[in-house]
Formats: sequence, C-alpha cells, structure tokens
Amino acid sequence: GQQVMQIPQYQHVQEGEDFTTYCNSSTTLSNIQWYKQRPGGHPVFLIQLVKSGEVKKQKRLTFQFGEAKKNSSLHITATQTTDVGTYFCASEPDNYGQNFVFGPGTRLSVLP
Amino acid sequence: EAGVAQSPRYKIIEKRQSVAFWCNPISGHATLYWYQQILGQGPKLLIQFQNNGVVDDSQLPKDRFSAERLKGVDSTLKIQPAKLEDSAVYLCASSLDWAEKYGYTFGSGTRLTVV
Repeated sequence: GQQVMQIPQYQHVQEGEDFTTYCNSSTTLSNIQWYKQRPGGHPVFLIQLVKSGEVKKQKRLTFQFGEAKKNSSLHITATQTTDVGTYFCASEPDNYGQNFVFGPGTRLSVLP
Repeated sequence: EAGVAQSPRYKIIEKRQSVAFWCNPISGHATLYWYQQILGQGPKLLIQFQNNGVVDDSQLPKDRFSAERLKGVDSTLKIQPAKLEDSAVYLCASSLDWAEKYGYTFGSGTRLTVV
C-alpha cells in the first residue's frame, strides 16, 4: 500500500528560527493536504495542494508541491510558540477514489 | 457552524470489555470517517461512510470492531472485545463531498485506555 514518509520526526527550534518539514512518497500523488495538531488536540486542516510545482502561502507558512508530485514541504518563517504541534501531511494516491493516507507527522517544539 | 461532536471524551475499560463511541458530524456533511490515532502516529482510517453506506472499511478489524451510521447522520463505533493494543484516540471526521476538495474536519476525539 501507499506509504508516506515525513522528515524530520522531531524538530526543536528557538523562537524566531525557521522550520521546514518534508513529506515524501514513492508514488505519484493526486494531491496533498497539510494538517496541524496541537498537543492534546485534534488535527486541523491547513491547506490542499493539487498542481505540480504549486506554492501556497498562509501568513508565515509556505507550502510547496514538488514538480513530480511525489513530495511536499511546509516551511514556517520566524516560528512562534503558537506554532508548537505536530504537522501531518495527508496524501491521496494517483488513483481516483482512494482515501487520504496520513504521514507519521513532524513534531515541532519552539523554545521561547 | 457547530463542529464535529464526539462522546465520551475519555474512556477507561478492562481488556475483553466492550465500548462504544458516538459521533455527530457537521450538518450537511455527507461523508463521515472514523480514524484511530495511536500515540505518536498519524491517524489511520478505520471506516468511511457516504451518507449511510460504507465506502471503505478495508482497515477495520471486523472481528472486534463495528460501526454504523443510521439515517446518514450520526454514527457509532463499537469495539467488542477490547484488547490492550486498542488503546488510542478515536477520531471522527466529516467532510463536504470528498475530502480532497475541502479537507477533513475532525472532532476532539475519544481517548480510550484499555487496561
């Protein structure tokens, strides 16, 4: 079955530093979604990427979909303590009708 | 708009006992999902409903797990009998049409501890 890898597994940064997490698949993806889960909370939908090479921005967050549609990244500029949580990518394989598969997540800690 | 409602919030049971979780999706969301999230892992899909029909239950351990969505609105997930490895957060999610367009909206989940 489809597997999605996320790196790094954990990341500790000082407040104000940048952060990037990567989502990689061995198969071509139809699209990809990103979610944030705060400690003790539930996943919250952030964004969806569909097109090859697509870049979307949400304030300090920049999301990219690779040209080959096999990887994606989430970059946070100047992290804040409110960015703490686990970031999951969820991908849909390039076979219509299959459900999204969540990656294992990257846990971000931000030190004040 | 009201979010996805789940109950109970927490549940502790002994192994071999049974347990049931309830979910009420966002009004108008035809698609409902149950996910299992083991500590430190991403959510894993157990079952997907479209209205009151099952679309995907390929990862549901059917020997002990069952789910229903009567009348195409709220849903219950049952485990009988529970095993230690069932300890996890059970998340319900709903979406407009297919989640590929709008993303999933998750409930707060039920944290199950099997002792």
